[in-house]
Amino acid sequence: ILNVEQSPQSLHVQEGDSTNFTCSFPSSNFYALHWYRWETAKSPEALFVMTLNGDEKKKGRISATLNTKEGYSYLYIKGSQPEDSATYLCASGKGSQGNLIFGKGTKLSVKP
Amino acid sequence: DGGITQSPKYLFRKEGQNVTLSCEQNLNHDAMYWYRQDPGQGLRLIYYSQIVNDFQKGDIAEGYSVSREKKESFPLTVTSAQKNPTAFYLCASSTSGSVEQYFGPGTRLTVT
Repeated sequence: ILNVEQSPQSLHVQEGDSTNFTCSFPSSNFYALHWYRWETAKSPEALFVMTLNGDEKKKGRISATLNTKEGYSYLYIKGSQPEDSATYLCASGKGSQGNLIFGKGTKLSVKP
Repeated sequence: DGGITQSPKYLFRKEGQNVTLSCEQNLNHDAMYWYRQDPGQGLRLIYYSQIVNDFQKGDIAEGYSVSREKKESFPLTVTSAQKNPTAFYLCASSTSGSVEQYFGPGTRLTVT
């Protein structure tokens, strides 16, 4: 994998459904994996930064896992709410200087 | 309130004109970044700066120029040499040694 890839591209779920997205990234020379939430008309907001293989992070109903050996990360949302509707971006860090390679994002729509 | 400001939110220019996008932060962050977003693509790094009076090209620097005369400011000039300048531009910043980036609200540039 040469680029950061996210799937699915978009997702429509009902309120209360749990969902998950995938981010694949180059496993060689891995430095850090970022997840951002980007709501319409707002700035992208950092959710998680993960660096260690096997790392799991949680913020409320949102959690993420990291597998640096195989180059993937999952983002989980438990009991989706309409306010979770946003584009979720994944980015792989290229080094300590903070340069990031972004995926195209997964657009989540949660219907009430 | 601490944060990153970008102005204006929308910018319109005629082809052949240079245009400068503003990015200001009062977070006391050392590093600043400029990204570009096009429909269906991930954010791509244009330029970044780790310290005042120093900056490096990102993945798509051609047709752009930057300056970093003050820690708080990192303006981006889109020159007439940029072949496809119409895009959404995001500015970000981070503390030295941290990989987490904080984003501004963005400027949508339309060149006709």
